[in-house]
Parts: sequence; C-alpha cells; structure tokens
Amino acid sequence: RKEVEQDPGPFNVPEGATVAFNCTYSNSASQSFFWYRQDCRKEPKLLMSVYSSGNEDGRFTAQLNRASQYISLLIRDSKLSDSATYLCVVRSGANNLFFGTGTRLTVIP
Amino acid sequence: DTGVSQDPRHKITKRGQNVTFRCDPISEHNRLYWYRQTLGQGPEFLTYFQNEAQLEKSRLLSDRFSAERPKGSFSTLEIQRTEQGDSAMYLCASSLQGIGNTIYFGEGSWLTVV
Repeated sequence: RKEVEQDPGPFNVPEGATVAFNCTYSNSASQSFFWYRQDCRKEPKLLMSVYSSGNEDGRFTAQLNRASQYISLLIRDSKLSDSATYLCVVRSGANNLFFGTGTRLTVIP
Repeated sequence: DTGVSQDPRHKITKRGQNVTFRCDPISEHNRLYWYRQTLGQGPEFLTYFQNEAQLEKSRLLSDRFSAERPKGSFSTLEIQRTEQGDSAMYLCASSLQGIGNTIYFGEGSWLTVV
C-alpha cells in the first residue's frame, strides 16, 4: 500500500468555483502534514502546513483527521492562477517526506 | 539567489554513460535530501544527509547510484551506467533540523537517457 494516496484528477473547474482535494495516509505514526503546489515542469513549493485543528490561509483551508488518516484541501473562489498539481505530503519520522501522486487542477475561464 | 540550486538543469546522455548532478542547499540548512520524480508521479525519496553523514537511503537507490556530501555543504548524486529507466527529474531539497521545518526544493535536474 502506498504511503499517501490521492485522486490524480484532473479536476476542471470554472473560475470562482470551490474545489476540494482529499488524500489518505497509511502510517498512523505520521507527524507532519503539508500541501505542496507544483507547476508544470517546476519544483514543488510549500502551499501550507496542515494542523490538527485545521488552518486557513486566504482562500485555502486545510483539514487533518488523524482518526481517519485523512487530509483535505479546500480552495474557494478559484483563480486561473490556481491551475497546478497539488501534492499531499506526509512526514514520517524525523526525515522523510512521502508524496502523493498529486491532483491536477485546471481552472477554466 | 539564496534558494536551493541544482546543476545542470538538463542533461541528455547515452545509455551506459555516467552522470553527476550537483546541489547547493540553502546555506544554513544542515539537512539535504535527494528525490526523483517521473511524469505523473509525486517525488520519491532517494536519500538524505544530515551535515556530511548520509543517514538514510531508499531501496530505490540501487548500487549504480551514489550520493555524497563531503563537507556538509553541497552534495553530488552520481548515476553510473545509466539506463533509460533513470530518465526523470532529480530534485534536491534542504531544511533545518527539526520535524516541523519546511523542506525547500531546488528547480530540479532533468535527465534524459537515450
């Protein structure tokens, strides 16, 4: 079983729409959780960390459910510039990041 | 530019040749990671250094792959006797020690084996 599972999409949504991505992780001892954004042929960049209490950064809201080993990302009022691949990332132990395959989002004018 | 830098950014090589990639991490970061990413997949962990010590290696890192960080600053990743399956983007990343610290990625080195 993969460490992190994500729906690869693609998600095609109109501008202004709300879209949600989910992922699950297999290691219950995982300690840190992140969403990274990756543009085509570019490196991944941290979008936001995910905290147990849930956290929000502008139009982006991340949630963590440790009991279900489930992480989500909600994007409100989608912009064209949000088009990218969103990577669910889990840190297990002190060192290693495990990435999902990524969910591709295209925001359509 | 004070980010993670990688060189070369692109490399085309013939099967069987050796290639070496270099990574310069963010200067104060003592942790350095190498990942590999193929199209349609997320990055996969290869190896990790804390200062000059290589502390963890993935089983993906076959004996044709070797990574070094001799002085605890820059790192090199060498692939010997390249195979077509080695074609991928090789990403270097660095961070400060500590589980909550952000890992920052370089722009990657694209390898094409023909």
